[in-house]
Amino acid sequence: QLQLQESGPGLVKPSETLSLTCSVSGGSISSSSHYWGWIRQPPGKGLEWIGSVYYSGSTYYNPSLKSRVTISVDTSKNQISLKLNSVTAADTAVYYCARETAGSAAGDYWGQGTLVTVSS
Amino acid sequence: QSALTQPASVSGSPGQSITISCTGTSSDVGGYNYVSWYQQHPGKAPKLMIYEVSKRPSGVPDRFSGSKSGNTASLTISGLQAEDEADYHCSSYTSSNTWVFGGGTKLTVL
Repeated sequence: QLQLQESGPGLVKPSETLSLTCSVSGGSISSSSHYWGWIRQPPGKGLEWIGSVYYSGSTYYNPSLKSRVTISVDTSKNQISLKLNSVTAADTAVYYCARETAGSAAGDYWGQGTLVTVSS
Repeated sequence: QSALTQPASVSGSPGQSITISCTGTSSDVGGYNYVSWYQQHPGKAPKLMIYEVSKRPSGVPDRFSGSKSGNTASLTISGLQAEDEADYHCSSYTSSNTWVFGGGTKLTVL
């Protein structure tokens, strides 16, 4: 059974960089059939797609976040990572990683999510 | 990219059918058959219920169905059950090779 687990600091100071890791178990992140992505959800609000990465390293980002986001893949560790710089309180959210089957544009497996609060 | 438009809330009684709409543009919903629907219970991760407009992943009851007409996609739940009470989110592939979500709809089972 495929499992995704997000990890990282739960509190980040304004203007600093938010860094999260998503560890994948029960399957290979090097699958040519899947993309791996990050989605976030501010408290009480809807979902927002942040971006996706392919095992080759190709990335796709939300235009509204593109200037601040980096998503990367580490096939040796079966992990993907998210870095979001210059954070503000508006970046406070639950951050999810998810698997997308190529060609479906749908997240079929999701991590449990991790709350990141931006505050001094 | 602008978020897709969903009603903030819908409600129905057990056994009834409800439909949730998701309106976008020709650059997303109307341009591609890549609309997905997710169910999210409080404090839980979203669960994929419908993909590619009308396909159901294994294990999703056939009470859940999806459709699309023009720039509007719809999720219909028939034979409403208490456990269907949740938030529902739609998403679509876009012409920019990105995803866009709707604002989410809270379903209340009366």
